[in-house]
Amino acid sequence: QQQVKQSPQSLIVQKGGISIINCAYENTAFDYFPWYQQFPGKGPALLIAIRPDVSEKKEGRFTISFNKSAKQFSLHIMDSQPGDSATYFCAASNAGGTSYGKLTFGQGTILTVHP
Amino acid sequence: NAGVTQTPKFQVLKTGQSMTLQCAQDMNHEYMSWYRQDPGMGLRLIHYSVGAGITDQGEVPNGYNVSRSTTEDFPLRLLSAAPSQTSVYFCASSRLDIALPYEQYFGPGTRLTVT
Repeated sequence: QQQVKQSPQSLIVQKGGISIINCAYENTAFDYFPWYQQFPGKGPALLIAIRPDVSEKKEGRFTISFNKSAKQFSLHIMDSQPGDSATYFCAASNAGGTSYGKLTFGQGTILTVHP
Repeated sequence: NAGVTQTPKFQVLKTGQSMTLQCAQDMNHEYMSWYRQDPGMGLRLIHYSVGAGITDQGEVPNGYNVSRSTTEDFPLRLLSAAPSQTSVYFCASSRLDIALPYEQYFGPGTRLTVT
């Protein structure tokens, strides 16, 4: 059972373009939504995260948009650069209680930014 | 700080063999976990621990054992390796709070092939 669905599986963008990756979740108890970035041969690293009390969070060129009623959230990468080429994972967790922040990941999106 | 370290980086096993994947962290994190990463499936939680002596199952625990005798170490044991356990394994750690999500730090991974 895939509780977090991510699309697209792969994405090719030209340098300077906008990359958009979408995720949808089913569990309404989720209250923490991080995005992880993974370069080949490395472990995932936290990129940006949001909690459902805000609809948008921006850090530099990276923005998370969150739609609680639709149970969807997305990552926007503005002015995409070749160095952004990586695999991106959305994730979700119920931060409190006995879930102890266990992360449920989406399937991943391979982003390629052409120079 | 070395962060989260994993050994070995690569391993080839024959079906039926057993082995232990090592994970250590030097950040005094209470929470540690193991994930496996398979193409098109994201990362899936195998086992996790909220402190020394406390472990619990994640989404895909069958065929794996864990123990947590110290805060720093969280080894993953494959009891009788099967080809279905061919994967990349990541260990992660974070601080733990009953109400707040903390960033999970991932190790560099172990690529395991079972023939």
